[in-house]
Amino acid sequence: GQQVMQIPQYQHVQEGEDFTTYCNSSTTLSNIQWYKQRPGGHPVFLIQLVKSGEVKKQKRLTFQFGEAKKNSSLHITATQTTDVGTYFCAGEDPSSGSARQLTFGSGTQLTVLP
Amino acid sequence: NAGVTQTPKFRVLKTGQSMTLLCAQDMNHEYMYWYRQDPGMGLRLIHYSVGEGTTAKGEVPDGYNVSRLKKQNFLLGLESAAPSQTSVYFCASSYVGQGNSPLHFGNGTRLTVT
Repeated sequence: GQQVMQIPQYQHVQEGEDFTTYCNSSTTLSNIQWYKQRPGGHPVFLIQLVKSGEVKKQKRLTFQFGEAKKNSSLHITATQTTDVGTYFCAGEDPSSGSARQLTFGSGTQLTVLP
Repeated sequence: NAGVTQTPKFRVLKTGQSMTLLCAQDMNHEYMYWYRQDPGMGLRLIHYSVGEGTTAKGEVPDGYNVSRLKKQNFLLGLESAAPSQTSVYFCASSYVGQGNSPLHFGNGTRLTVT
């Protein structure tokens, strides 16, 4: 079945440093979503990427979808303590039919040191 | 607007006991899902429903049953709990299939089976 790998598993950065997490799929994806989960909280939707090579920005966050639609990245510029949490990617398998299921990566846990 | 509400928030079971987790959403979403979250493994889909009266198996359905008698409610049952079912359980809903619209998650239920 489809596998979505996410690296790194953990990342510690000093406040103000940049951060990037990478997501790689074993198969071509229809689209990819990104979620953020604060410690003790629930995942919250950040963004969805659909087109090959798509780049979207949300303030200090930049999301990219690879040309082959098999990988994606999330880059945070100048991290702040409010960025702490686990970031998950979730990719849709084109063969999942009408249910349009997502496969989640294992997440990258970001710690920001003040 | 409550969104997705899960009850209970915490539960401790002994091996062999049964329980039901309740999920309710007030967004009139067609699709509902149950996930489990274990350290380092991301979110794994247990069961899902594409509408009232329908259910389907996800990635890890064994040991669980579900029912969707009303559109707004999705119940997850454990008939005979096992220590391997110790996890955090999240319910989610979406307007259409999850590959095409964001997932809205509840706050989670932390279940410990001893």
